[in-house]
Amino acid sequence: GNSVTQMEGPVTLSEEAFLTINCTYTATGYPSLFWYVQYPGEGLQLLLKATKADDKGSNKGFEATYRKETTSFHLEKGSVQVSDSAVYFCALSEHYGGSQGNLIFGKGTKLSVKP
Amino acid sequence: EPEVTQTPSHQVTQMGQEVILRCVPISNHLYFYWYRQILGQKVEFLVSFYNNEISEKSEIFDDQFSVERPDGSNFTLKIRSTKLEDSAMYFCASKIGVLENTGELFFGEGSRLTVL
Repeated sequence: GNSVTQMEGPVTLSEEAFLTINCTYTATGYPSLFWYVQYPGEGLQLLLKATKADDKGSNKGFEATYRKETTSFHLEKGSVQVSDSAVYFCALSEHYGGSQGNLIFGKGTKLSVKP
Repeated sequence: EPEVTQTPSHQVTQMGQEVILRCVPISNHLYFYWYRQILGQKVEFLVSFYNNEISEKSEIFDDQFSVERPDGSNFTLKIRSTKLEDSAMYFCASKIGVLENTGELFFGEGSRLTVL
């Protein structure tokens, strides 16, 4: 079945450090891929998305490239800030055979950025 | 900016009691969802709802669970007889419709359910 695997947390970085959170997926069709973020005390918010191979999603300095050959969608940011401290979820959505594309999530990676 | 709102933010209940979690989706959205996240585990799909009926449900969504859209705005999740393992954060989400076919969902802040 479809699944998403992302790196275990927590991840602790100093401000301005480079961030990578790995995400790989298994899917039978052609999924859309997402990164959601959950700030403390808030709900899940879409951070970025990519709907086909080689697409790059970007937002707020974060980027992720849809790599079909490696079935990956790693999240990167060149210089993290304290305000980036949150839990990050990789997710996929697949549309086939009448499926509405319900999201399948990874387990989440907690990022803490220290000043 | 339109948002999905959920109530209550936290509910504590005794095992065996009925619980209703409420959600107000974004007003022009047509698809509605419930997800849950047991502490430390993945966010899991429970059920999707469209055109006043369940369109998909997961294995988790057994006979103890039901959903309803009793009026034009609310979308509720009922757990008939709660078990300890139902303790989780429950997220409501909505999506605009099939034209927005990228699976982008808008989530509420979640309702934390604690079953004692």
